[in-house]
Amino acid sequence: SQQGEEDPQALSIQEGENATMNCSYKTSINNLQWYRQNSGRGLVHLILIRSNEREKHSGRLRVTLDTSKKSSSLLITASRAADTASYFCATASMNSGYSTLTFGKGTMLLVSP
Amino acid sequence: EADIYQTPRYLVIGTGKKITLECSQTMGHDKMYWYQQDPGMELHLIHYSYGVNSTEKGDLSSESTVSRIRTEHFPLTLESARPSHTSQYLCASSDPGLPGNTIYFGEGSWLTVV
Repeated sequence: SQQGEEDPQALSIQEGENATMNCSYKTSINNLQWYRQNSGRGLVHLILIRSNEREKHSGRLRVTLDTSKKSSSLLITASRAADTASYFCATASMNSGYSTLTFGKGTMLLVSP
Repeated sequence: EADIYQTPRYLVIGTGKKITLECSQTMGHDKMYWYQQDPGMELHLIHYSYGVNSTEKGDLSSESTVSRIRTEHFPLTLESARPSHTSQYLCASSDPGLPGNTIYFGEGSWLTVV
């Protein structure tokens, strides 16, 4: 069974609005990462949050982690059309000895001008 | 910008053909991975390697095979392609020195088997 599950599956917003995506996972982790994938391309690492951290910022990105609820959220503020992409959370879980990342199904974000 | 390259980017082949997807990275990373991703779907880890002469099967069973003779090179081979192998294959690498096993991906190889 997959480790990460993003919600919503798809999100459509206007430029300038904020976009929030959520990720839930099942087993103990030592970190959670968010990646972005433009259509037909590879994934690009956005941000990593460790299990002992609760919030992290990087530019217009804000990530939170709640280990008690086994969930994380990614907030993109003041979105732009160029933010249109799929966003995946990934976890390094104890099950894999923290040696590999497991990805969720992703949230497809569409930002309209 | 990640220095990891995949060829071919797009490939259409007939059933029963043997194909090799190439993956090379110039970052000197020890760990390399192959993920399979159908359009709009999640990524599934099919193979990974800790270094030269190391290969491991991933979470998703795959009929493909891999080899790791050189650090920078991690090719994936399908001996006899079938339409069910149609998918995007993503190669990636990481270094233990990077925080949290951060992965760098190639641009992907789109395989269509007709």
